[in-house]
Amino acid sequence: AQSVAQPEDQVNVAEGNPLTVKCTYSVSGNPYLFWYVQYPNRGLQFLLKYITGDNLVKGSYGFEAEFNKSQTSFHLKKPSALVSDSALYFCAVRDTGDDKIIFGKGTRLHILP
Amino acid sequence: EPEVTQTPSHQVTQMGQEVILRCVPISNHLYFYWYRQILGQKVEFLVSFYNNEISEKSEIFDDQFSVERPDGSNFTLKIRSTKLEDSAMYFCASRKVRQGNEAFFGQGTRLTVV
Repeated sequence: AQSVAQPEDQVNVAEGNPLTVKCTYSVSGNPYLFWYVQYPNRGLQFLLKYITGDNLVKGSYGFEAEFNKSQTSFHLKKPSALVSDSALYFCAVRDTGDDKIIFGKGTRLHILP
Repeated sequence: EPEVTQTPSHQVTQMGQEVILRCVPISNHLYFYWYRQILGQKVEFLVSFYNNEISEKSEIFDDQFSVERPDGSNFTLKIRSTKLEDSAMYFCASRKVRQGNEAFFGQGTRLTVV
């Protein structure tokens, strides 16, 4: 069975500094990995995904994520944080052959002005 | 841009009553999902639906829950006899068939059981 771990409940970063939100996963096959963002009282908004190929994937709003197979990680990154990036971020995984997408518990990102 | 739409946005119901949450997935998507989120915390998988049948379901999705695609556009989640602990935000999602495609989520229905 697949699972996702987001070890940090909250990450605080000063505006303009780089940010990283951590994610590790466990699957039995090959993973499809996703990051979603949730703003208050809103649905989940897709940011980026890793399917295959280049380990560094780029997504919306300047976010990127690095797939590391040996460490089973898929950390979300951004070179320069904005106050508007403050939100709840979810890492998610789908195992090949499965239909369901499993989410981590979420990491609240606070960007301090 | 196409989007998943959910109605109602907020539903208040008495314990023991039946509720139906409605979703219109994106038109060329063939996989459909229901998730729930309690108090802005973890997003929990309930059920996936493909080719007019349930493809996977979680332990949460017990006999009180059912899903239906009655007319080729709507996708519904029914809770037969609501409990207080069913209070949550319920999200519908859909995705294309091709492997690796991301799911697109609706804005959610906030269900409050009193």
